[in-house]
Amino acid sequence: AQSVTQLDSQVPVFEEAPVELRCNYSSSVSVYLFWYVQYPNQGLQLLLKYLSGSTLVKGINGFEAEFNKSQTSFHLRKPSVHISDTAEYFCAVSSGRNDMRFGAGTRLTVKP
Amino acid sequence: GAGVSQSPRYKVAKRGQDVALRCDPISGHVSLFWYQQALGQGPEFLTYFQNEAQLDKSGLPSDRFFAERPEGSVSTLKIQRTQQEDSAVYLCASSLLQGTSGRGNEQFFGPGTRLTVL
Repeated sequence: AQSVTQLDSQVPVFEEAPVELRCNYSSSVSVYLFWYVQYPNQGLQLLLKYLSGSTLVKGINGFEAEFNKSQTSFHLRKPSVHISDTAEYFCAVSSGRNDMRFGAGTRLTVKP
Repeated sequence: GAGVSQSPRYKVAKRGQDVALRCDPISGHVSLFWYQQALGQGPEFLTYFQNEAQLDKSGLPSDRFFAERPEGSVSTLKIQRTQQEDSAVYLCASSLLQGTSGRGNEQFFGPGTRLTVL
């Protein structure tokens, strides 16, 4: 079975600063990795996903993530955040079957 | 419709009442998933349908939880004799292809139903 640990429950950051949201996973098989964003009172929206190939994945809204197999990590980064990036971010892992497992989430708060 | 819709968006139930939560997936999507999201937590898998067949219900927490998708489109999650621990946001997701959550088979999520059991 897979599991995900999001190392920070809350990340406050000032506008236009860079940000990194950390995610570590554990699995005995090859995995697919995802980052979702959840705005208040809305469902989850896919930011990006790693399926195979290049370990640096680019997503929507200027976000990117890097898959590091040796460190079992999939950290999310953005070089310059905006107020509108304030939301809850979830890392998720799957073996490719209907077995998506989510982390507990990281609340990103962007301050002016 | 443009996306996955869920109704009601909010539901308050007295302990012991039965509730029914509805999910309208994106038209033509084969797979449908239900998740439970407790306060401050990530979504937890409940059950999965491929068309009308419920292929995995391993995440349902008790036999008070029941889900159906009789015609392979709309799905209903029913909770009988609700308890306070059932309070959570219930998310529905659908995907175009069958089974896999990888290989580009993105799950599209609805806005959720927030259930509060008093």
